[in-house]
Amino acid sequence: ETGVTQTPRHLVMGMTNKKSLKCEQHLGHNAMYWYKQSAKKPLELMFVYNFKEQTENNSVPSRFSPECPNSSHLFLHLHTLQPEDSALYLCASSQDIKYNEQFFGPGTRLTVL
Amino acid sequence: GENVEQHPSTLSVQEGDSAVIKCTYSDSASNYFPWYKQELGKGPQLIIDIRSNVGEKKDQRIAVTLNKTAKHFSLHITETQPEDSAVYFCAAITFQKLVFGTGTRLLVSP
Repeated sequence: ETGVTQTPRHLVMGMTNKKSLKCEQHLGHNAMYWYKQSAKKPLELMFVYNFKEQTENNSVPSRFSPECPNSSHLFLHLHTLQPEDSALYLCASSQDIKYNEQFFGPGTRLTVL
Repeated sequence: GENVEQHPSTLSVQEGDSAVIKCTYSDSASNYFPWYKQELGKGPQLIIDIRSNVGEKKDQRIAVTLNKTAKHFSLHITETQPEDSAVYFCAAITFQKLVFGTGTRLLVSP
């Protein structure tokens, strides 16, 4: 295990639902990341938090809303999603954004009906 | 911004053979190049990385080479085993952002 956990592992939701993805890291890191992984596409960086402050929003639609209450926890709140948002959502952490090595969680497989 | 291209998209080898995966990048300022292995149902795991001041790095059966002039780097796996079967991603970092390739699905047949 990498020390990064994600829940739930699988999620099916309708387009009008509101749900949240949770990530927790047990590595004492200060930077956390959300990535989207779709079939046959490179991993797409969505958000970056460093010491609880958002440092990157990679032009992500507002229906995705991140929250980082402390350096160990990261949430991704989902609202009014589209079927094309179905993907594997990966959380990662690193010591801070200056340290390149990132540790990934197992991901949440999201299906939007 | 950075663009990373990865080839091949799929690679099938016999157990014991070598496997080579190649990546090119566009931003000459990139200075860190990790390789990740992703098994089914798991997130990507770092297997080896190289920095721009080094041309080659080896860890048991895995090696990575970097050619900064040509802006390409490669992953070499020797004596492949069935458990090496997975999707492999290269990446390059620039301005503290990791940019990933599209992945190579490696299948090692016994």
